[in-house]
Amino acid sequence: DAKTTQPNSMESNEEEPVHLPCNHSTISGTDYIHWYRQLPSQGPEYVIHGLTSNVNNRMASLAIAEDRKSSTLILHRATLRDAAVYYCILRNGGSQGNLIFGKGTKLSVKP
Amino acid sequence: DGGITQSPKYLFRKEGQNVTLSCEQNLNHDAMYWYRQDPGQGLRLIYYSQIVNDFQKGDIAEGYSVSREKKESFPLTVTSAQKNPTAFYLCASSIDRGGNQPQHFGDGTRLSIL
Repeated sequence: DAKTTQPNSMESNEEEPVHLPCNHSTISGTDYIHWYRQLPSQGPEYVIHGLTSNVNNRMASLAIAEDRKSSTLILHRATLRDAAVYYCILRNGGSQGNLIFGKGTKLSVKP
Repeated sequence: DGGITQSPKYLFRKEGQNVTLSCEQNLNHDAMYWYRQDPGQGLRLIYYSQIVNDFQKGDIAEGYSVSREKKESFPLTVTSAQKNPTAFYLCASSIDRGGNQPQHFGDGTRLSIL
């Protein structure tokens, strides 16, 4: 599975939008972009995933660059409960690849 | 509600002991996984199972063993051969191992050595 690059940490104010970037310049045509988040002392939680088109669900939006070499997870209104480590992961859709977790981005939300 | 249950939440092991961590899911998922997480690090895959009575080693399988006798259960045994077992252990499941399938995680078991 291809590698991703994320900032180590980001800060946001409560009730403001948050844009979490992820670079994946070596992505292949069949790689899905997955996002998970992990709150302290809990297991990771699936957030969203996509292949080529932008995706929306109740938790977040995923914006995928036209060349697919980067993507952005968008939290539309950050709450204190969104403070977590966010992981951007690529998984090949054609094979049975494993999730490979990097260190992710630690998001802090200020009241 | 459907989900993954890991027990116990905290576990203590004496040197030389084997311990077994429980993982149960009622999501009717075929695939199940065990991960290990050390402080400040991402998750690393220990073992995975695609179907009942089948399992494969992940990246760090040495010192661990698993079984998959029932679809809903995937227990992990940390053996005395695992020299650094103190970690946060996470179990997950997915419908199958396809790359477009999300994984659902339990709340983890924190193992410490006495």
